[in-house]
Amino acid sequence: GNSVTQMEGPVTLSEEAFLTINCTYTATGYPSLFWYVQYPGEGLQLLLKATKADDKGSNKGFEATYRKETTSFHLEKGSVQVSDSAVYFCALFTNAGKSTFGDGTTLTVKP
Amino acid sequence: NAGVTQTPKFRILKIGQSMTLQCTQDMNHNYMYWYRQDPGMGLKLIYYSVGAGITDKGEVPNGYNVSRSTTEDFPLRLELAAPSQTSVYFCASSEGSKEKLFFGSGTQLSVL
Repeated sequence: GNSVTQMEGPVTLSEEAFLTINCTYTATGYPSLFWYVQYPGEGLQLLLKATKADDKGSNKGFEATYRKETTSFHLEKGSVQVSDSAVYFCALFTNAGKSTFGDGTTLTVKP
Repeated sequence: NAGVTQTPKFRILKIGQSMTLQCTQDMNHNYMYWYRQDPGMGLKLIYYSVGAGITDKGEVPNGYNVSRSTTEDFPLRLELAAPSQTSVYFCASSEGSKEKLFFGSGTQLSVL
């Protein structure tokens, strides 16, 4: 079956540090890949997505590139802010309507 | 726009009780989903639907049932609640199978 493996957390960074959260996947066919973010006490919100190989998704300074050769979709941000503190989930979706989420990575950014 | 509305927000059940979690969306989305999120974990797909009258099992369907009689509504039924069903439940909808999910605000369920 399909699977998503995320870098284990928690991750603690100082403000303005560089962020990388690793995500690798296994899937049959050609899934779409997503990063969702969950702020405390809230539901998940879409952060960015990529629908095919070599696509780059970007939003709010975050970006991730769909790498088919390494089956990866790593999340990066050049300079994090305290307001970026949240749980980040990598996910894949298939044509059949099924979805698979990673276990989430908790990011804490300290001033 | 209301988006995806879930009720209730919190519920405590005794072992063996039953309940229905309600979910409705006003975006005319064909795809709807039920997930559970256990502490420190990602979302696990319970059931999903690709349109009215069509439902299918996800990763963790045991102990749950769903129906989809209209495009708007996708209730999740728990029969004979067990402590293992203590979790936060999220309903979501999307325009298509690989499109952005719109989430409800969640239901925190405890089975004691």
